[in-house]
Amino acid sequence: KNEVEQSPQNLTAQEGEFITINCSYSVGISALHWLQQHPGGGIVSLFMLSSGKKKHGRLIATINIQEKHSSLHITASHPRDSAVYICAAGRRNTGNQFYFGTGTSLTVIP
Amino acid sequence: GAGVSQSPSNKVTEKGKDVELRCDPISGHTALYWYRQSLGQGLEFLIYFQGNSAPDKSGLPSDRFSAERTGGSVSTLTIQRTQQEDSAVYLCASSAGQKGQPQHFGDGTRLSIL
Repeated sequence: KNEVEQSPQNLTAQEGEFITINCSYSVGISALHWLQQHPGGGIVSLFMLSSGKKKHGRLIATINIQEKHSSLHITASHPRDSAVYICAAGRRNTGNQFYFGTGTSLTVIP
Repeated sequence: GAGVSQSPSNKVTEKGKDVELRCDPISGHTALYWYRQSLGQGLEFLIYFQGNSAPDKSGLPSDRFSAERTGGSVSTLTIQRTQQEDSAVYLCASSAGQKGQPQHFGDGTRLSIL
C-alpha cells in the first residue's frame, strides 16, 4: 500500500477548463508538497502547505489535515500547464523523509 | 550557479561497472536529498543529509549504493557493480534545512546500464 495516493493518474482537459488533482495520504505529516515535472524531467516545487489553502497565480492548493487529503486546482488551464503533478508528504518525526505519489499526468489541449 | 547542479546529465555504462553521480546543492542549503525515478515510476527516496548529522540511509536499495557529502556541500552517490535495474534518473534536491522547507531539484542524471 502506498503512503500517498493520487488521482486521477491521467487527465486530459480543454484549454480554459478548471482542473482538480487529488492526493490522499496515510502517514502523519509535517508538510505536504505539490511538485510539477515537465517533459524532460525538471522538477519544480509549487506549494508547501501544512494547513488551509495557498494560491499562486492560477494555482490553488488546499489541505484538510483531519481527512488527510489535499487538492491542487488549476483555473483557466493552458497548454503550458501540461506536466506531471506530484504530491509529496513530508513525514513527521523522521527527519525530512518524503513519500511521493506516482503523479498525475496532465495534458491541456488548445 | 543559483540552482542545484548535477553531473553528468547522462551516463551510459556496462553492467558490473561502478558509477559516481555528483550533486552541487544551492549554497547555504544544509539539507540534501537523493531520489531515484525509474521509468514509469514515482520518485523514490534514497538518502538524506542534514548538516553534520548522520545521514538517513533508509531508502538505499542495497549495499551497492552509497553516498557521501563532503564539507557539508557537494555530494556523491556511488553505485557499485551496476545492474540493469539500476537504470533510472537520479535526482538531487536541497533545502534550507528546517522541516517542511521546499526542496529545489536538480535536472537529474539519466543512468542507463547496458
